Amino acid sequence: DVKVTQSSRYLVKRTGEKVFLECVQDMDHENMFWYRQDPGLGLRLIYFSYDVKMKEKGDIPEGYSVSREKKERFSLILESASTNQTSMYLCASSFRGAGELFFGEGSRLTVL
Amino acid sequence: ILNVEQSPQSLHVQEGDSTNFTCSFPSSNFYALHWYRWETAKSPEALFVMTLNGDEKKKGRISATLNTKEGYSYLYIKGSQPEDSATYLCAFMGYNNNDMRFGAGTRLTVKP
Repeated sequence: DVKVTQSSRYLVKRTGEKVFLECVQDMDHENMFWYRQDPGLGLRLIYFSYDVKMKEKGDIPEGYSVSREKKERFSLILESASTNQTSMYLCASSFRGAGELFFGEGSRLTVL
Repeated sequence: ILNVEQSPQSLHVQEGDSTNFTCSFPSSNFYALHWYRWETAKSPEALFVMTLNGDEKKKGRISATLNTKEGYSYLYIKGSQPEDSATYLCAFMGYNNNDMRFGAGTRLTVKP
């Protein structure tokens, strides 16, 4: 079974803190994605990566950065967390091409 | 920003009813259309990956059709059951992109 593991299910951080969300997949997928999910807005793409050290901005990259130093790991970084970044964050991975996405369990971040 | 629209936003049906939802997407630059089911407290799971105009896919009581020329896909559920209650998401991939863009989803509630 494909496994996509997100490092933390629940986090509570303070405004201005630096936050790292880690995602690891074990199926040698080329593509990895970070989404955030907010009520009524569905899944919005923050960043994606189609190869090691490659990254592309999604629809809402402001306030976020990413790192992909190894194929299996894709990190989302909030340099200075703000309250409007309180959300559910979902990581996903897939093979290159039209293959289905496999999702992690999500990380619910609260910024106070 | 690529617009992927889903309707209706939510739907309440009785057990045994058949129902359908719509996903509309850009008709140019089409590469793939995915449907996912997202149950509460779980990760989204793929239902269908569709790549060809006129594709029809079926899994048990759930089926989907695809019209790439006019930019829409329908998801049908025959004889809805309470366990079908979930949010159904569609996602679009363009030919020149590696990313997947999601609609806001249709939230289905099936009452016993």
